[in-house]
Amino acid sequence: NAGVIQTPRHKVTGKGQEATLWCEPISGHSAVFWYRQTIVQGLEFLTYFRNQAPIDDSGMPKERFSAQMPNQSHSTLKIQSTQPQDSAVYLCASSLDRGQNTLYFGAGTRLSVL
Amino acid sequence: GEQVEQLPSILRVQEGSSASINCSYEDSASNYFPWYKQEPGENPKLIIDIRSNMERKQIQELIVLLDKKAKRFSLHITDTQPGDSAMYFCAASNTGYQNFYFGKGTSLTVIP
Repeated sequence: NAGVIQTPRHKVTGKGQEATLWCEPISGHSAVFWYRQTIVQGLEFLTYFRNQAPIDDSGMPKERFSAQMPNQSHSTLKIQSTQPQDSAVYLCASSLDRGQNTLYFGAGTRLSVL
Repeated sequence: GEQVEQLPSILRVQEGSSASINCSYEDSASNYFPWYKQEPGENPKLIIDIRSNMERKQIQELIVLLDKKAKRFSLHITDTQPGDSAMYFCAASNTGYQNFYFGKGTSLTVIP
């Protein structure tokens, strides 16, 4: 079990560029979550999929952020027109979603917007 | 969504003493309360959790307490060791809806 895999580990973009972050959940896990971690805000919920369907995206900045889960083996978080305030560690997590609630986090993608 | 408040944000204790972190939540439908530990450069990992049908749970030096009426829960680390130094996050979840809302974290430093 390789755990939740996130790529890339580090991404540097210029202001206004697009960034796409990838997540491969643990095989068999049907719930996938995206969080943004900063020192000031801690772990901010962004969005959540269950069985590939978007369930709750209430944490997503609506204009520039989007997330998809085209199949059960990966999810993407796309940030268009990146801004310096988007700089953070983006964490993906998955869980079994059958009464088993443990979240397993990936190592995260550190996004730096210059 | 659910709002989880976590205090203190920074905690420094002497080795061997106890450390306590307190969290509160708003949504009475929340029924599952995990605690995650994040060491520097690592991802958060579950260390202990408590469900709403319990008031107290202990795993070795970790004790969690839940007061459903007050909508508060807490983590107590007894006999702290330098290896306990890390960020700690509390979270609240509804097992039916299964989203997780985290507190802002507590940076614990155990001073040798």
